[in-house]
Amino acid sequence: AQSVTQLGSHVSVSEGALVLLRCNYSSSVPPYLFWYVQYPNQGLQLLLKYTSAATLVKGINGFEAEFKKSETSFHLTKPSAHMSDAAEYFCAVSDTNDYKLSFGAGTTVTVRA
Amino acid sequence: DGGITQSPKYLFRKEGQNVTLSCEQNLNHDAMYWYRQDPGQGLRLIYYSQIVNDFQKGDIAEGYSVSREKKESFPLTVTSAQKNPTAFYLCASIPRGGPDYGYTFGSGTRLTVV
Repeated sequence: AQSVTQLGSHVSVSEGALVLLRCNYSSSVPPYLFWYVQYPNQGLQLLLKYTSAATLVKGINGFEAEFKKSETSFHLTKPSAHMSDAAEYFCAVSDTNDYKLSFGAGTTVTVRA
Repeated sequence: DGGITQSPKYLFRKEGQNVTLSCEQNLNHDAMYWYRQDPGQGLRLIYYSQIVNDFQKGDIAEGYSVSREKKESFPLTVTSAQKNPTAFYLCASIPRGGPDYGYTFGSGTRLTVV
């Protein structure tokens, strides 16, 4: 079974500072990996996904993530935080059989002016 | 535009009452999923369906039921057996090609027991 661990339930950064959100997964086969963002009372918006192509994945809004198989990690970064980045972020891994998504517990990002 | 429509956006349930959450997609996606979201717990899978007239239990199916009579529709019923139904519910779908083509999520239904 797939599982995802997000380190840190809350992250606070200053505007303009680096955003780093950590995600580790467990999977017996090369996985599909995703990062989603959620704003209050809304659905999930895809930031980026890893599907066995390039290990460095670029997404929307300046976010990127690097797949490291040796570390079973898929950390999300953004070089310079913007106030609009304040939201909850979820890392997810997809089962390659029936495509069920398993989510981490989420990380809430606050951005200080 | 294609997408997933969840309705209603807000739903209130009385104790002992069954309620049904609607999920409709016009993306021609084959697989559909229901997730429950609670603060600090991420999203947990309730039920999923890969084809019409077939569905499987997820991790937290107790107290819920689903049907998949049409490809476009995957309604979720929260029964009186679900003792703690207050949560945010999200529906998702994916095409036959799988994750390479991405998942689509609805905007969710917030269910509250009153």
